[in-house]
Amino acid sequence: SQELEQSPQSLIVQEGKNLTINCTSSKTLYGLYWYKQKYGEGLIFLMMLQKGGEEKSHEKITAKLDEKKQQSSLHITASQPSHAGIYLCGEYSGGSNYKLTFGKGTLLTVNP
Amino acid sequence: DGGITQSPKYLFRKEGQNVTLSCEQNLNHDAMYWYRQDPGQGLRLIYYSQIVNDFQKGDIAEGYSVSREKKESFPLTVTSAQKNPTAFYLCASSIGVASGNTIYFGEGSWLTVV
Repeated sequence: SQELEQSPQSLIVQEGKNLTINCTSSKTLYGLYWYKQKYGEGLIFLMMLQKGGEEKSHEKITAKLDEKKQQSSLHITASQPSHAGIYLCGEYSGGSNYKLTFGKGTLLTVNP
Repeated sequence: DGGITQSPKYLFRKEGQNVTLSCEQNLNHDAMYWYRQDPGQGLRLIYYSQIVNDFQKGDIAEGYSVSREKKESFPLTVTSAQKNPTAFYLCASSIGVASGNTIYFGEGSWLTVV
């Protein structure tokens, strides 16, 4: 079965620093989603990538999908305490049997 | 406001009892999903529905049941057959199940078995 590996599992940064979270699949990604979650709350949609080499940005967050469509990265520039939370990547496996599989998440702490 | 409403937010259940979690959406989405989230395990798919009166098992359907009688509603019943039901449950919806459709999530429901 297709699995998503996220790294690192947790990350502590000082406010203002840049950071990157990675999401790697064992197979080709048909669609890759990035979400943010506060503990005990719902997931907030950030971005969705489909094409190899695609890059999208929203405010200070940029997500990229590599050309081989097996790895995605989420980059935050000049982090703020509001960026703290759990970041989850999810991938659509394709085919007639729907399945959206998520990684285990990356816990981000931003210290003021 | 448009969105997905889950209720209740917190629920306590005694062992041996069934409990139903509500999920309502006013986004006019065809597809709806239920996920379970446990610490350190990410989200796991329980059931999903592509259209009214149709639903499919996900990865961990044992001990759960669903119905889809209305487009807006997709309730999840946690039965006494579910061995470890204490978890955070998330409902989601999208226009369809195809890749490229944004999947939106509700605020989640905490279920604790006492």
